[in-house]
Amino acid sequence: EPEVTQTPSHQVTQMGQEVILRCVPISNHLYFYWYRQILGQKVEFLVSFYNNEISEKSEIFDDQFSVERPDGSNFTLKIRSTKLEDSAMYFCASRASGGADGANVLTFGAGSRLTVL
Amino acid sequence: QKEVEQNSGPLSVPEGAIASLNCTYSDRGSQSFFWYRQYSGKSPELIMFIYSNGDKEDGRFTAQLNKASQYVSLLIRDSQPSDSATYLCAFNPSGGYNKLIFGAGTRLAVHP
Repeated sequence: EPEVTQTPSHQVTQMGQEVILRCVPISNHLYFYWYRQILGQKVEFLVSFYNNEISEKSEIFDDQFSVERPDGSNFTLKIRSTKLEDSAMYFCASRASGGADGANVLTFGAGSRLTVL
Repeated sequence: QKEVEQNSGPLSVPEGAIASLNCTYSDRGSQSFFWYRQYSGKSPELIMFIYSNGDKEDGRFTAQLNKASQYVSLLIRDSQPSDSATYLCAFNPSGGYNKLIFGAGTRLAVHP
């Protein structure tokens, strides 16, 4: 079964350092997302990406965050200067269709756990 | 702000019983609703989606949607210990399908 692949599974970094989280979405999917989940809290939307541009972003996704699709397969989330409160599980997700049908479901990757010290 | 409300639980049911999980949402224009299951430390995995009022069944799972009451539920029949997890209700806010808004989840514990 096709899956969304994320690397690294766990990253530990010092406050103020830059972090890049990588994702390989399902190959025929067109819409890409980053979500995060702080330990014990809800899954929160960060950003959606379609046709090589951001289509929507949340208030969490401030200037320290950026996303990129550098080639035909990878989708990355960069955090420029990490803060303690950025410690969370970051999930990449993708979906195929843009409409209200059975393809309008998100498939999540296994997540990248970021620990900021 | 568009929100999803779920009872955090834990909801404890004996093995073989029916587990009933409930969710209310604030966005009256929402069209698409989803139930995801999340095991501790893992990513959400889709159980079911529902777009129309009424019931939708898939194996041991039944999703129920009542748009007038802004209420969606998930029934799990013949609950198994392996069903023990957090169940996340999510919806697409009105105006597009660009993101999902998740509830905080209900923790289900199925005991033998």
